[in-house]
Amino acid sequence: GAGVSQSPRYKVAKRGQDVALRCDPISGHVSLFWYQQALGQGPEFLTYFQNEAQLDKSGLPSDRFFAERPEGSVSTLKIQRTQQEDSAVYLCASSFAREVMNTEAFFGQGTRLTVV
Amino acid sequence: LAKTTQPISMDSYEGQEVNITCSHNNIATNDYITWYQQFPSQGPRFIIQGYKTKVTNEVASLFIPADRKSSTLSLPRVSLSDTAVYYCLVVRNNAGNMLTFGGGTRLMVKP
Repeated sequence: GAGVSQSPRYKVAKRGQDVALRCDPISGHVSLFWYQQALGQGPEFLTYFQNEAQLDKSGLPSDRFFAERPEGSVSTLKIQRTQQEDSAVYLCASSFAREVMNTEAFFGQGTRLTVV
Repeated sequence: LAKTTQPISMDSYEGQEVNITCSHNNIATNDYITWYQQFPSQGPRFIIQGYKTKVTNEVASLFIPADRKSSTLSLPRVSLSDTAVYYCLVVRNNAGNMLTFGGGTRLMVKP
């Protein structure tokens, strides 16, 4: 596709519900990132994949958060037993190179998750 | 990574040049300075990256003094569509792959 695609764009979940957020990166991009952005704040790093390998998950806030990229392309961020503090925009980004230094990261439009 | 500090917000008028300065006092030798732009309801978009002196592209210029402890993003002749949040990031080569965003500068361009 032309850019990074995320779905759904909006998700309302009841507290305690599990959600799955999808990211389709730009074809051929090796690196894939997930970020969480609270209202009025800058994006915060959650996790990073290089192809199918999850090389950094230091930003995941709790063990309720899980991400996968089984075939090295599409990625899913899963949040179990959602809490109100999980309400945020979840951004996915991809880049061609293995090192973020060597190329820009392309971001999707994000999924706005509201937990009620 | 070096912490960045930038103004929380700025106002400007159409046609003016806007300069947003970012300080990064603890920048290391192998760190680069990168700026991203974010419009409401969209993900951030790469604007420009530099190491030292001046870098210019079709969107902006980036000025980095010799000590590299600060940088200035310059937007020439802004329009209403330049209203956005601008993030200054320090990116370290070969030291992980995350981008660390601060709070950014909210630029409001008025008619």
